Amino acid sequence: DADVTQTPRNRITKTGKRIMLECSQTKGHDRMYWYRQDPGLGLQLIYYSFDVKDINKGEISDGYSVSRQAQAKFSLSLESAIPNQTALYFCATSDGQVDTGELFFGEGSRLTVL
Amino acid sequence: GQNIDQPTEMTATEGAIVQINCTYQTSGFNGLFWYQQHAGEAPTFLSYNVLDGLEEKGRFSSFLSRSKGYSYLLLKELQMKDSASYLCAAMDSNYQLIWGAGTKLIIKP
Repeated sequence: DADVTQTPRNRITKTGKRIMLECSQTKGHDRMYWYRQDPGLGLQLIYYSFDVKDINKGEISDGYSVSRQAQAKFSLSLESAIPNQTALYFCATSDGQVDTGELFFGEGSRLTVL
Repeated sequence: GQNIDQPTEMTATEGAIVQINCTYQTSGFNGLFWYQQHAGEAPTFLSYNVLDGLEEKGRFSSFLSRSKGYSYLLLKELQMKDSASYLCAAMDSNYQLIWGAGTKLIIKP
């Protein structure tokens, strides 16, 4: 089983619908992240959380919200999806050690908004 | 502004050596990362450099020059499975990662 699991892996929805992408991890890491990836662009940080009570906006948080339900779970919501939110979304975790800084990514959730 | 530049695409031959360059401009600097991403898959960590010089890890090596804002990833003895995108990311003074768009590496037999 993957250490970082995302559901759903693929989702097609319509403009205006509410969508939730879920992420769970078994690595025991405190830090969790949501990124989106678009063709030709670098990964863009949406939100990140350093522990259950700590939520921070990333560079492109508008139109998104998150919930850190437990150390192991971090969900991303699109309250009213729009077509330009069509992208590949990745959840990632890290153990907060700056000298390694290694991120562990989930397998991705491909979202299409029609 | 903060920026990462790397070539969009490169082609190399199986068994050869390829060097993928990355230049960065960030507010402060706390390290340079390289990740590998196969098509349709998640990125996976390859290397981390924070001091100038070359870090070797098997067939892959990564180099950093902080004064030049420059890094490269060197892949030796290329194999078909090395066909992937290689993502360069720099960590700024707030410990946030700034990502390049990735270099798609095509390996030909």
